[in-house]
Amino acid sequence: GQNIDQPTEMTATEGAIVQINCTYQTSGFNGLFWYQQHAGEAPTFLSYNVLDGLEEKGRFSSFLSRSKGYSYLLLKELQMKDSASYLCAVMDSNYQLIWGAGTKLIIKP
Amino acid sequence: DAMVIQNPRYQVTQFGKPVTLSCSQTLNHNVMYWYQQKSSQAPKLLFHYYDKDFNNEADTPDNFQSRRPNTSFCFLDIRSPGLGDAAMYLCATSSYGEGYNEQFFGPGTRLTVL
Repeated sequence: GQNIDQPTEMTATEGAIVQINCTYQTSGFNGLFWYQQHAGEAPTFLSYNVLDGLEEKGRFSSFLSRSKGYSYLLLKELQMKDSASYLCAVMDSNYQLIWGAGTKLIIKP
Repeated sequence: DAMVIQNPRYQVTQFGKPVTLSCSQTLNHNVMYWYQQKSSQAPKLLFHYYDKDFNNEADTPDNFQSRRPNTSFCFLDIRSPGLGDAAMYLCATSSYGEGYNEQFFGPGTRLTVL
């Protein structure tokens, strides 16, 4: 079966750095997405990786290793507004998104 | 601004009373999706359309149906809502093709079943 694993919850301090990991097993791979979702709101796109390596976008970076079936989202200089769930999703061979359950990130002052 | 719009944002219905949720888009995307998302869970794909080509996920209950009368609009019909159908319903769109095709989400409709 297809499976996306990510931690359920993480806690970090304002101003610090946090890394959210995602491992996946899917039938085919056409890219990995990270979405941010605030409570009660729709997901918003953060990043897309299809080749191995690091993609940097401001305070957020995303890394992919296809051979290991592994990605992480790195958030720097954490702000209180970064408190949200972070969803990892993989596009399979049918170009459908397989979603993880999300990691709830709690930022403390 | 190009966007995905969902109405209503909050919907309350009674057990067994049919309800219709709507989605419209100005992105001119040919693919539209309906997801169900319950608290602290992954979005669950219910249906998707490639243009007018309808695709029903194997485990979507018969209680759920969908219509896409044109490129811009898509509807989700819940024929007899049960308490277990209370959730956030998300509409998303994308442009079909190989490679990068980010899904753009509407704000969602939160359904409460009394």
